[in-house]
Amino acid sequence: LAKTTQPISMDSYEGQEVNITCSHNNIATNDYITWYQQFPSQGPRFIIQGYKTKVTNEVASLFIPADRKSSTLSLPRVSLSDTAVYYCLVGDWNFGNEKLTFGTGTRLTIIP
Amino acid sequence: DGGITQSPKYLFRKEGQNVTLSCEQNLNHDAMYWYRQDPGQGLRLIYYSQIVNDFQKGDIAEGYSVSREKKESFPLTVTSAQKNPTAFYLCASSRGQDNSPLHFGNGTRLTVT
Repeated sequence: LAKTTQPISMDSYEGQEVNITCSHNNIATNDYITWYQQFPSQGPRFIIQGYKTKVTNEVASLFIPADRKSSTLSLPRVSLSDTAVYYCLVGDWNFGNEKLTFGTGTRLTIIP
Repeated sequence: DGGITQSPKYLFRKEGQNVTLSCEQNLNHDAMYWYRQDPGQGLRLIYYSQIVNDFQKGDIAEGYSVSREKKESFPLTVTSAQKNPTAFYLCASSRGQDNSPLHFGNGTRLTVT
């Protein structure tokens, strides 16, 4: 599993766009990038996954540059309910090829 | 609705006792995982299983045991050999292919005194 580096914490005001960047310099050719969101006392929830370029769904966008050594999770117009810990996971876990280990994540706090 | 059920939500035990945490899924997923989370920390992998009757140690397997007798169930036993068992335990499952995302239960908070 590729090692990832994320900011420990971030603050943002309601209504703003928030970008959380994850560095993964040793990403392998077959690795995918996946982001999860976790609220206190709950299990993490899948947000978005991508391999290259840009992926968008109903809650977020994921930007991956051509070298794939980093990725940015973009949350449009955040609200107080987006306050959570966000984890970046990088790896190729088809049929248990790799153990799935989470880092400490980014604690995002939305300010009213 | 499909999902993962962990029970109980809160569990209290005396030191020296073994305790088993339940995890059931009705998603028809092949792969299941157990994670441990300590306050302010990320998730650490305890055990994972790709198919029935097979499982592998994660990063912190010492003091824990698992079984996978049925596809739907992956119980975790915290034994008395686990030195610091008080933690939040999370179970997850996935299709185990195509880098399919993990689906998590809502966890069991174990307190050992």
